Amino acid sequence: DGGITQSPKYLFRKEGQNVTLSCEQNLNHDAMYWYRQDPGQGLRLIYYSQIVNDFQKGDIAEGYSVSREKKESFPLTVTSAQKNPTAFYLCASSTPLGRAGQPQHFGDGTRLSIL
Amino acid sequence: GDSVTQMEGPVTLSEEACLTINCTYTATGYPSLFWYVQYPGEGLQLLLKATKADDKGSNKGFEATYRKETTSFHLEKGSVQVSDSAVYFCALSTNTGGFKTIFGAGTRLFVKA
Repeated sequence: DGGITQSPKYLFRKEGQNVTLSCEQNLNHDAMYWYRQDPGQGLRLIYYSQIVNDFQKGDIAEGYSVSREKKESFPLTVTSAQKNPTAFYLCASSTPLGRAGQPQHFGDGTRLSIL
Repeated sequence: GDSVTQMEGPVTLSEEACLTINCTYTATGYPSLFWYVQYPGEGLQLLLKATKADDKGSNKGFEATYRKETTSFHLEKGSVQVSDSAVYFCALSTNTGGFKTIFGAGTRLFVKA
C-alpha cells in the first residue's frame, strides 16, 4: 500500500545535538511538507518542497534544516539552534501544487523529546 | 491573509448525540475546503472535502457543506460513536501564490458511552 513512513516514532535529543527525522513516501507525490504540532495546538509549517532539489521556508523554519535529494525522501534536521524542540513532528505529501482540491497525506509522526 | 477559525474544544458528547463543529474561513480566490481527523498518537487523515461552493463532502456519516455566502464549512454528524473521539481540523487550500494549506487549531471531541 502507498503511504508515508516517518521514523523513528520516538526520538530523544541531548543538549547541543542535531537530530534527523526521516520521511519517505511511495505515493509519487511531488510536494512534501514538515509540520510541528505542540500539545493542544494546530499545525505550524516548518518547510515545504514542491520539487526535487528545491525547498522553501515555512512559518517557523528557524533552527531546522531540510534536504530534497530524491522525490521520495524529505528528511528534517532539528539543529541545536532550535531551543524548544520538544513537539510532535508530522510529514505530509500531496500531488502537484496548482491542482485544486488535492489533500495532503500524512505520516504517523515522530515525537521528539529533550533528555 | 488566509485563515481558518474553528470552535474551541473540547466538545464532550454522549454516544448517539448530534455533532456540529463550526468552521469559518477567510481566503482570497476560490479555496478548497477540508476536514481532517487525528486519532491519538497518529497523523492526520482526510475525512472529507469540498472544492466549490454548495458542494457537500461526506464520509463515515460526517457531512459538511461549502457555504460561500457565510464562508463556512461546518462539520456535522447525526449520531456520534465512542470511536469518533479524536481531534478534528478544518483546513483550506488555494492556488493563490502557489501552495497554501491553512489549518485551523483543531477541536477535540470526546464521546462518552
